[in-house]
Amino acid sequence: GQQLNQSPQSMFIQEGEDVSMNCTSSSIFNTWLWYKQDPGEGPVLLIALYKAGELTSNGRLTAQFGITRKDSFLNISASIPSDVGIYFCAGRTGGGADGLTFGKGTHLIIQP
Amino acid sequence: DGGITQSPKYLFRKEGQNVTLSCEQNLNHDAMYWYRQDPGQGLRLIYYSQIVNDFQKGDIAEGYSVSREKKESFPLTVTSAQKNPTAFYLCASRQAAYGYTFGSGTRLTVV
Repeated sequence: GQQLNQSPQSMFIQEGEDVSMNCTSSSIFNTWLWYKQDPGEGPVLLIALYKAGELTSNGRLTAQFGITRKDSFLNISASIPSDVGIYFCAGRTGGGADGLTFGKGTHLIIQP
Repeated sequence: DGGITQSPKYLFRKEGQNVTLSCEQNLNHDAMYWYRQDPGQGLRLIYYSQIVNDFQKGDIAEGYSVSREKKESFPLTVTSAQKNPTAFYLCASRQAAYGYTFGSGTRLTVV
């Protein structure tokens, strides 16, 4: 099946630093989604991207849909303690409700 | 408020038993999904349903079964044929091209 390569696997940063993570795939996706998951909870949608080249912001978060439709990145500016968690990218090929393909996640740890 | 409710939050199963995980949504979404999450892994699709009385296998359907008798409900049964059932199970729903909404999950442990 399709695979998404998400990196880095984990990040240890200082509060206030900017964060960048990305996902790449050998397959083309029509939709890219970025989720955050807290321990023991379901993922919560952060940003949805629907067009190649699209750049979308949500507060301190910015994500882009790559021109090739095979990659996406998520940036977090001026990190704060509540940003801690696991961030997942997910892609959808469209053409039916066939579910999402998820990356393995980026575990963000913030040191005060 | 609209959302997805999964129950129970924690479930323990003896080997050889079937167990059923509940998923209910009041978002009026057409499509519903079940995902499995293991430590250090992304979510993997078990089953999905686009409309009532119809469902399709995902990537890891072996050892699982589902039903979709009502639009609001999509229960997942973990059968004794599932050799490694201990995992975190997530239900999600979707309407048209919008993002998927997830429940808060059920953690299943085999004892």
